[in-house]
Amino acid sequence: DQQVKQNSPSLSVQEGRISILNCDYTNSMFDYFLWYKKYPAEGPTFLISISSIKDKNEDGRFTVFLNKSAKHLSLHIVPSQPGDSAVYFCAARGAGGTSYGKLTFGQGTILTVHP
Amino acid sequence: EPEVTQTPSHQVTQMGQEVILRCVPISNHLYFYWYRQILGQKVEFLVSFYNNEISEKSEIFDDQFSVERPDGSNFTLKIRSTKLEDSAMYFCASSVDRGSQYGYTFGSGTRLTVV
Repeated sequence: DQQVKQNSPSLSVQEGRISILNCDYTNSMFDYFLWYKKYPAEGPTFLISISSIKDKNEDGRFTVFLNKSAKHLSLHIVPSQPGDSAVYFCAARGAGGTSYGKLTFGQGTILTVHP
Repeated sequence: EPEVTQTPSHQVTQMGQEVILRCVPISNHLYFYWYRQILGQKVEFLVSFYNNEISEKSEIFDDQFSVERPDGSNFTLKIRSTKLEDSAMYFCASSVDRGSQYGYTFGSGTRLTVV
């Protein structure tokens, strides 16, 4: 039941360049898509989200793009900084019924930003 | 900034023993969740809790698991008879509502090791 997939287990970028993290989903019954960042020995921390009715949301260095026809979203970080090095999880939120509010996570992508 | 607090940070228990994982959600939050992450795998939904009852539970959340909000501040997850495969990082989370664009706030997790 792979409803949310992050196919790249890791990504390495140079400081100052753009980081692009990708996520695909297979179920249309989601109302929000969220990105969480996780450092070792800490819980996931909310980063940015996008409503299923939008195609772009921007917050400072972070932009999330949603392509509903392709069931694909991406997180762009520009410019990347060494402090951005962490595991990034894509999550989709259930839109209704008993699944309303429930988050389904992808496997995570380890981002390493080199100075 | 308000935090979700989890204790203990690490719990080692013998197979077959009962464990209680404790969480103090953010004080004005109304929805409470437990998720877990087995090493190297996805963050998985276990259970959601609202108005003193379970809203939804996953297939993982069998009769060995229970949740309770005994005193209006703590939110606990009990595993009655632990199995080796229960070894995982357990995350508690809370939210003001299920529709927030900011998702949930997660705690730092309890690492449960069953030996």
